Amino acid sequence: AQRVTQPEKLLSVFKGAPVELKCNYSYSGSPELFWYVQYSRQRLQLLLRHISRESIKGFTADLNKGETSFHLKKPFAQEEDSAMYYCASGGYNKLIFGAGTRLAVHP
Amino acid sequence: DAGVTQSPTHLIKTRGQQVTLRCSPKSGHDTVSWYQQALGQGPQFIFQYYEEEERQRGNFPDRFSGHQFPNYSSELNVNALLLGDSALYLCASSLAGLSGIKSETQYFGPGTRLLVL
Repeated sequence: AQRVTQPEKLLSVFKGAPVELKCNYSYSGSPELFWYVQYSRQRLQLLLRHISRESIKGFTADLNKGETSFHLKKPFAQEEDSAMYYCASGGYNKLIFGAGTRLAVHP
Repeated sequence: DAGVTQSPTHLIKTRGQQVTLRCSPKSGHDTVSWYQQALGQGPQFIFQYYEEEERQRGNFPDRFSGHQFPNYSSELNVNALLLGDSALYLCASSLAGLSGIKSETQYFGPGTRLLVL
């Protein structure tokens, strides 16, 4: 069965520190992978998807098929990055989400 | 464009009752998916509607049913409510277009928070 694992419930860093939010997936085919973000009191929104290979708000994510990972990275965290981050795997019409990681960036 | 809208925002029901949640997709989108998000968990896929038919379903009992209207809006119905149905229900819309099967980016609504007492 398709599964997405985010091993950390909470990641706490100081402003300016590097950030890596971990995501591992299990999928037998070629997955489409996404990172969604939910800021306080806002709706879930797409941050980036692997197929577009974009850098959004300084975040990047590389698909590593050998390790079945899609970790989200940012070299220098900002306080406004504090939010809930969800990794999701998509294929044929549905998204499978991980449990999410709360990123807290302290001044 | 207001994006995906959902109503109501909050709802309180008692066990055994029935509930209907509504969703209007983002302008130009033709596909609606429903997710259940329990407290402290990620969203779980319930089902997806395209061309007024249920195209795919997650691991949810038949008490959960839905409908899509010709204007692409959708309803989620839950019968015989249980305490465990208390959750945030999210609607997401996307554009399947002519392909009809490709996994396109989904845009989420603000959700309906359901409390079952």
